[in-house]
Formats: sequence, structure tokens, C-alpha cells
Amino acid sequence: DTGVSQNPRHKITKRGQNVTFRCDPISEHNRLYWYRQTLGQGPEFLTYFQNEAQLEKSRLLSDRFSAERPKGSFSTLEIQRTEQGDSAMYLCASSPREGRGDSPLHFGNGTRLTVT
Amino acid sequence: DQQVKQNSPSLSVQEGRISILNCDYTNSMFDYFLWYKKYPAEGPTFLISISSIKDKNEDGRFTVFLNKSAKHLSLHIVPSQPGDSAVYFCAASVSISTNDMRFGAGTRLTVKP
Repeated sequence: DTGVSQNPRHKITKRGQNVTFRCDPISEHNRLYWYRQTLGQGPEFLTYFQNEAQLEKSRLLSDRFSAERPKGSFSTLEIQRTEQGDSAMYLCASSPREGRGDSPLHFGNGTRLTVT
Repeated sequence: DQQVKQNSPSLSVQEGRISILNCDYTNSMFDYFLWYKKYPAEGPTFLISISSIKDKNEDGRFTVFLNKSAKHLSLHIVPSQPGDSAVYFCAASVSISTNDMRFGAGTRLTVKP
């Protein structure tokens, strides 16, 4: 168990460029979450996968954001046409429990995105 | 939509004393509550949780208290240690749902030697 792994750790991009982040959850965890955290705030939910199915998306996830988990293992989060307001820490988390919200999330160390 | 609120952005205590971090929530559907601890450049780490069927849960130096009528929970750390210095997030969820977990804005705890 090596924990949740996120790559890259840091990403600096120019406004209008596309970026993609990767998350490798703890193996055998079937639930995977993406959160976004801005300065002075707690993590905000973006989207959730159970295995390969994307079951829920927050209204924070605009059309420029897309997430995939093609084989129910790793996940990618892509942001198209980045804006300065997208600058944040993007956190991935996984959890082993099937279909219930009463288990802790295991977070990765995040990808810090800076849009210039 | 601030369903989970931590009204104290920071707290400073002396080593060996008690640290009390507070959290309020508005959604009466929440029935599972957690505290996470976050060091700089790391993701949040799960610390302790409590189900709404309980009013107290203890794990070593950490105790979480839940007051459902007041929609309030607190985390007590005793005795506080310098290594406890971190940002603490309160979180809440609905246990029967796969829905998202809601987080407070965090409280930065500083434990002075």
C-alpha cells in the first residue's frame, strides 16, 4: 500500500492551455474522488467514480473540466482552456467502501496548478 | 453553500495544554463526521471520526465530541504537542449516500514549545 499518488506535483501553465493530471488510487479501492482546494478554504468536491463509472459531478465542474477512470484504476482530470481562476490545489482521494459515505477518504498530496 | 463551518481560522496553544477545535454544520442529514489533519505540501490525513449515534469518540490524545441538537462538534487534543501543529479540517457526510463529503475551511493549530 503506497497510498494515493498524484502527478505532477506542480503545474504552471499559461491561460488558455490544456492541462491533465493523473491520480493512482490505493489498489483495490473502488471509489475515487477529485477535490479542489483554494487558499483559505477546505477541499471542495468535484467528481466521484465508483470503479469506472462517474456517478456524480459537482456544479463546480464546468464544461472545461473532464475526468475519466477508464479501467477503474487510475484517473485523469483534464482542464481545457485554463483560466486564472482554475489556479488551485487539485486533490485526489480514494476509499474502499462500496456505496456508502461512512468511511474516511485517503488523499494524495495533490497537484498544485498555477495559471499565469 | 457553507454546510460545514469552522469559524476560527487559527488557534495557538502551549505545549502540554488542551487544544479545542470547533466545527458547526447546518445540514441535519449529516450523520458521519470526521477530522482531518493537513501538513504543508501534503494532502489531508484522516485523524478521527464519529457517527451520529454516538456523542463521543476517543483515540489516544484525540477526542471528538458531537452535539447533534446544536449541530456542533469539537476536537480535543490533550496534551498538545508541537508535532500537532497543522491545519485541521472538519468534514461531514451522509453515510447512506455515496455523495460528496463536505469540508470546513480549516483551523490552523500552532502548538508552542
